[in-house]
Amino acid sequence: AQSVAQPEDQVNVAEGNPLTVKCTYSVSGNPYLFWYVQYPNRGLQFLLKYITGDNLVKGSYGFEAEFNKSQTSFHLKKPSALVSDSALYFCAVRDMANQAGTALIFGKGTTLSVSS
Amino acid sequence: DTGVSQDPRHKITKRGQNVTFRCDPISEHNRLYWYRQTLGQGPEFLTYFQNEAQLEKSRLLSDRFSAERPKGSFSTLEIQRTEQGDSAMYLCASAAASDTQYFGPGTRLTVL
Repeated sequence: AQSVAQPEDQVNVAEGNPLTVKCTYSVSGNPYLFWYVQYPNRGLQFLLKYITGDNLVKGSYGFEAEFNKSQTSFHLKKPSALVSDSALYFCAVRDMANQAGTALIFGKGTTLSVSS
Repeated sequence: DTGVSQDPRHKITKRGQNVTFRCDPISEHNRLYWYRQTLGQGPEFLTYFQNEAQLEKSRLLSDRFSAERPKGSFSTLEIQRTEQGDSAMYLCASAAASDTQYFGPGTRLTVL
C-alpha cells in the first residue's frame, strides 16, 4: 500500500541555520513527490515537486528537496531558516503505478519552529 | 486567477443536520479533488472529478456524503445527517495536466 512517513512531529532550528524536514515513502511504482506548507487557518500551499529528472528539486521561498530512490526519501531542506518559515509541512506522494489514482497520499505533517 | 475558493470558511451545525460546501477551482483546471483533514493528521482523499465526471471515491466517503460537479466548474460536497465524527477541515484542490494540486483555504466544520 502507498504510504508516506514524516518521522518527526516537530523540528526546531535557530534562524540562519540550515533546516531539514524528513520524508520517506512507499509506493509500488515510480513516485511523484510533493511538499506543501500550511499556515494556521489556511489551506496548503505548494512548495515543490519531483516528477523525474534531476534528483535535487528547487522550489518556492528558497526551499529544495532531494529525491533518493535507494533510500525512498524526499527530504525538504533550506540553507538558512527564517522565523517566517515556521509552519506545518506536509510531504505527499502519488503512485504512478496506479493509473486510475490521481489522489495524493499525505504524511502526518511536521511542525517547523524557527527561533530568533 | 484568484486561486481556489471555498465557501463557507466555517460551519457550525447540530448533529443530524445536513450541510453543503462549495468549491470554485482555478478556472482552467479540469481536475477537482476533495480532502478531509482532522487535527494532527494530513489531508485524506475523499473524491476526484475530471470535468463533470466523478472518477474516484475513497472508502471514507460514506453514503451520507455526496459530491457533484454539474457543469465541470464549481463543485459541492454535501453531508447528510451529520455526526460529531464529521468535524474536520474539508479541503478542495484543483489541478491541470501538470499534476500539481492547488488547495483552497478549506471549510472548517464543527458538529455539536
